[in-house]
Amino acid sequence: EDQVTQSPEALRLQEGESSSLNCSYTVSGLRGLFWYRQDPGKGPEFLFTLYSAGEEKEKERLKATLTKKESFLHITAPKPEDSATYLCAVQAGTNFNKFYFGSGTKLNVKP
Amino acid sequence: GAVVSQHPSRVICKSGTSVKIECRSLDFQATTMFWYRQFPKQSLMLMATSNEGSKATYEQGVEKDKFLINHASLTLSTLTVTSAHPEDSSFYICSARSGGGALTGELFFGEGSRLTVL
Repeated sequence: EDQVTQSPEALRLQEGESSSLNCSYTVSGLRGLFWYRQDPGKGPEFLFTLYSAGEEKEKERLKATLTKKESFLHITAPKPEDSATYLCAVQAGTNFNKFYFGSGTKLNVKP
Repeated sequence: GAVVSQHPSRVICKSGTSVKIECRSLDFQATTMFWYRQFPKQSLMLMATSNEGSKATYEQGVEKDKFLINHASLTLSTLTVTSAHPEDSSFYICSARSGGGALTGELFFGEGSRLTVL
């Protein structure tokens, strides 16, 4: 069964304390893996797309990596404004309109 | 990234009335748009996939007569909640897939619409 699992469900960090969020997937025919940030009461904001194992993307304090089984979102020296829920989604299979979403990791960065 | 605009962001209505939510892709053409519902502290629940010029495909358990979806152009999809009831109160989010007919393409999301049915 195709599925996407994110861990941990929630993560509390002190400002400046680097960490990683995990998105593991079991799908057939990966087309792309996407990371989003969602603030309370808002729609998800697109962060990164990764297409193949070994690929990495960076944006400010965020870096996303991809292997054949999972993706990591590394947060370096986070700030309170990085607090949000981070969602990953996988596009896979022959139906290119099919996206599988993880349940998200709620990140709280304390000053 | 591409911009998807959703309107209204908040709507309050009386039970039994209908509410329309619009989703527009502002700087790209979206052959396919998606409608989601999100409950507090939960992830996105896909309601339906909307294709321009054709009928929407609804997920199992979603009443198509209650949640009417129209995708009349490559930049506009609408969701109408008919005969709304308090249990329809939720956060509704649309997304549009970029890339046209390509097999890949990111999903870009609207800002979401908070529906409260009294």
